[in-house]
Amino acid sequence: SQQGEEDPQALSIQEGENATMNCSYKTSINNLQWYRQNSGRGLVHLILIRSNEREKHSGRLRVTLDTSKKSSSLLITASRAADTASYFCATRGSGYSTLTFGKGTMLLVSP
Amino acid sequence: EAQVTQNPRYLITVTGKKLTVTCSQNMNHEYMSWYRQDPGLGLRQIYYSMNVEVTDKGDVPEGYKVSRKEKRNFPLILESPSPNQTSLYFCASSLLSGGAQSSTDTQYFGPGTRLTVL
Repeated sequence: SQQGEEDPQALSIQEGENATMNCSYKTSINNLQWYRQNSGRGLVHLILIRSNEREKHSGRLRVTLDTSKKSSSLLITASRAADTASYFCATRGSGYSTLTFGKGTMLLVSP
Repeated sequence: EAQVTQNPRYLITVTGKKLTVTCSQNMNHEYMSWYRQDPGLGLRQIYYSMNVEVTDKGDVPEGYKVSRKEKRNFPLILESPSPNQTSLYFCASSLLSGGAQSSTDTQYFGPGTRLTVL
């Protein structure tokens, strides 16, 4: 069953601006992960946040998790044209159940 | 180089002709899985395996089979492909050690197989 839902579906910004994407989910999770996909290629893992964590940073990425609202956000600071891609959140449920992906946010960063 | 490989990368076939998409990883990962990606639907998990000889259905297993006879390989089998299985398929693998609370719960994806069933 589809769990994560990203918002917005598409986002267009200028280089140097920040990009924020949101993910909402329905049931309890063990962790939430963000992945990036360049046009039809394999997904690349960006960052993982566990259910007992509230915020995590990795380079220009900042992820927050609010388990009470069942939502997460991914912030990319100082965006570059090379950040143009689709971004997916994925949730891992209890035990080691299926990893469920959302439908993704398409980010376009214009020079 | 640590990687997940898939073959073939592109395949055009006809309805009913059995096919196999291979997946291999060289990272000694216990967990392997198959996804399909369709426009507007995102990625949906087909099957997954937590170890050799252990496989489980994902969200959309109908029309697919898998096997896990060796740790490194996880082929996807379409016994009688139909046009609604036209899709982009991804294989992925990850470590299981530490469980879902571990920071190692990271999926490594293959490059994808674009399948068209006529």
